[in-house]
Amino acid sequence: EDQVTQSPEALRLQEGESSSLNCSYTVSGLRGLFWYRQDPGKGPEFLFTLYSAGEEKEKERLKATLTKKESFLHITAPKPEDSATYLCAVQATNQAGTALIFGKGTTLSVSS
Amino acid sequence: NAGVTQTPKFQVLKTGQSMTLQCAQDMNHNSMYWYRQDPGMGLRLIYYSASEGTTDKGEVPNGYNVSRLNKREFSLRLESAAPSQTSVYFCASSGGAISNQPQHFGDGTRLSIL
Repeated sequence: EDQVTQSPEALRLQEGESSSLNCSYTVSGLRGLFWYRQDPGKGPEFLFTLYSAGEEKEKERLKATLTKKESFLHITAPKPEDSATYLCAVQATNQAGTALIFGKGTTLSVSS
Repeated sequence: NAGVTQTPKFQVLKTGQSMTLQCAQDMNHNSMYWYRQDPGMGLRLIYYSASEGTTDKGEVPNGYNVSRLNKREFSLRLESAAPSQTSVYFCASSGGAISNQPQHFGDGTRLSIL
């Protein structure tokens, strides 16, 4: 069964304290892995797509990496405005159409 | 550029009532999706439409119907609402001929069923 597991469920950081969020996945074949940011009361906002092991993408303080079993979202020197829930999703080759399988998310709180 | 627009933003229904959630996108995307998001469950796919004129069931389709009205609009209907359908509903769209393009989401409809 295709599955996505995110850890930790919640993460509290001080401003400037770098850390990483984990997304482990089990799929028969990976078409793509997606990272989203979700603010309270809003829909998920697209951040990155990763397609193959070894690939990396960066945007401001965020860097996403991909291996054959997991992806990491590294947050360097976070600021309070980085506080949000971060969602990971995969698109598997055996899924009908373009359906995404989502993890439950990691809620990040950054305090000043 | 509005992206994906969902209406209404909030709704309260009584058990057994019917309702249609509306979704429109202005990005000329081919594919559209309906998800529900529940605490501790993550986002789950209800129905999707790979292209205009086609619809398919997702992970949790029971109790719902959909209509792809045209390329821009994709509606979700609850024929007889149940308390278990209390949730936040998100519409999304993705475009182009490449199937692994990212999905873009609206800001959701918060639905409570009493």
